Amino acid sequence: ETGVTQTPRHLVMGMTNKKSLKCEQHLGHNAMYWYKQSAKKPLELMFVYSLEERVENNSVPSRFSPECPNSSHLFLHLHTLQPEDSALYLCASSQAKRGVSSETQYFGPGTRLLVL
Amino acid sequence: AQTVTQSQPEMSVQEAETVTLSCTYDTSESNYYLFWYKQPPSRQMILVIRQEAYKQQNATENRFSVNFQKAAKSFSLKISDSQLGDTAMYFCAFDGSGTSYGKLTFGQGTILTVHP
Repeated sequence: ETGVTQTPRHLVMGMTNKKSLKCEQHLGHNAMYWYKQSAKKPLELMFVYSLEERVENNSVPSRFSPECPNSSHLFLHLHTLQPEDSALYLCASSQAKRGVSSETQYFGPGTRLLVL
Repeated sequence: AQTVTQSQPEMSVQEAETVTLSCTYDTSESNYYLFWYKQPPSRQMILVIRQEAYKQQNATENRFSVNFQKAAKSFSLKISDSQLGDTAMYFCAFDGSGTSYGKLTFGQGTILTVHP
């Protein structure tokens, strides 16, 4: 596997279910991101982990819980979701560097989530 | 807060012709980064081109080039010799966070269709 992979690619869940999305990066990066892509809306940054520490949480509801056990893996745990949470969830990674810099983010193919 | 605006929801172009996608942004930062990402129907988001605000020279990558007008806060993407594989959603993105890991703000996207 190369680049950024995500599993599953498609997920259907009920509002009472608990599920997890998985992201893995094979690029040696040290920062990982979760984005939400809804129809007709810009991508929304949800969480950022840099050096395995959560550094950004953009007012995301607590029914979304991220986990970053190491620099290569990122999870998004889902519980008691709402239908409006149906979206494409994208994972990305980059190489964080000191100083003012913005390294390119590399994206995975996404998980298409449908909440019934 | 930074905002990114793509005023063209959809565009189309004939194969081999040139097309320009528009992007404007709003920021009070002096040092920042701009990106164009492409998301084909397969959904994997990939970087097309990036521009550092402190560089006056416009970035180019093969058939892709930008027209960066810092004073006007404009960052358009020109695609020359359009190919069928250029059909995709194109996102303009901005990072003025000054963080070591980067925080992207995306525009709404422009759907580009290349016709044979």
